[in-house]
Amino acid sequence: KQEVTQIPAALSVPEGENLVLNCSFTDSAIYNLQWFRQDPGKGLTSLLLIQSSQREQTSGRLNASLDKSSGRSTLYIAASQPGDSATYLCASDSGGGADGLTFGKGTHLIIQP
Amino acid sequence: DTAVSQTPKYLVTQMGNDKSIKCEQNLGHDTMYWYKQDSKKFLKIMFSYNNKELIINETVPNRFSPKSPDKAHLNLHINSLELGDSAVYFCASIGQGLGTQYFGPGTRLLVL
Repeated sequence: KQEVTQIPAALSVPEGENLVLNCSFTDSAIYNLQWFRQDPGKGLTSLLLIQSSQREQTSGRLNASLDKSSGRSTLYIAASQPGDSATYLCASDSGGGADGLTFGKGTHLIIQP
Repeated sequence: DTAVSQTPKYLVTQMGNDKSIKCEQNLGHDTMYWYKQDSKKFLKIMFSYNNKELIINETVPNRFSPKSPDKAHLNLHINSLELGDSAVYFCASIGQGLGTQYFGPGTRLLVL
């Protein structure tokens, strides 16, 4: 059974810093790994999806990497802004869509102005 | 237009009642899901539904039943509500060959 762990659980940094959020998973037989953002009281917004055959994906100031052999993914946020404050969730798809996503518990990120 | 919509947004009800949450997606997707986010913000899959095939997470009580009138809708019916059912319920969908799941805004259920 897949388990997804995110470290740290919470992070507070000054505006402008670069930062890394970590995600690890126990079963490397995944179809893809996804990063989501959740704002308080809101739904989930997809940020990046990395297919199992890919090593990384980039969108603007965000870069996500995937190392299946070690069961790890990282989300790199460059030049952080207060608007980046949110909870970031990592999720693995181990069933090709049939079984839904397995989520980590998230990293609560606060960017200090 | 909203891709995945849920109604109601908030639901407050008494223990023992039966309630339904509706979900609609206008993306033409084939697979829909229900997730539960508990008080500690942990998201967990409850059901996935694809072409009338239902896959159930074994930890979900049988008081919860998904119902799909057509490919664009997957409703969640809950019987005999309990205090522990209080959570945020998210609907999501995915298209064939596309990995990204699209989530609805959530339904915040409070059982008193």
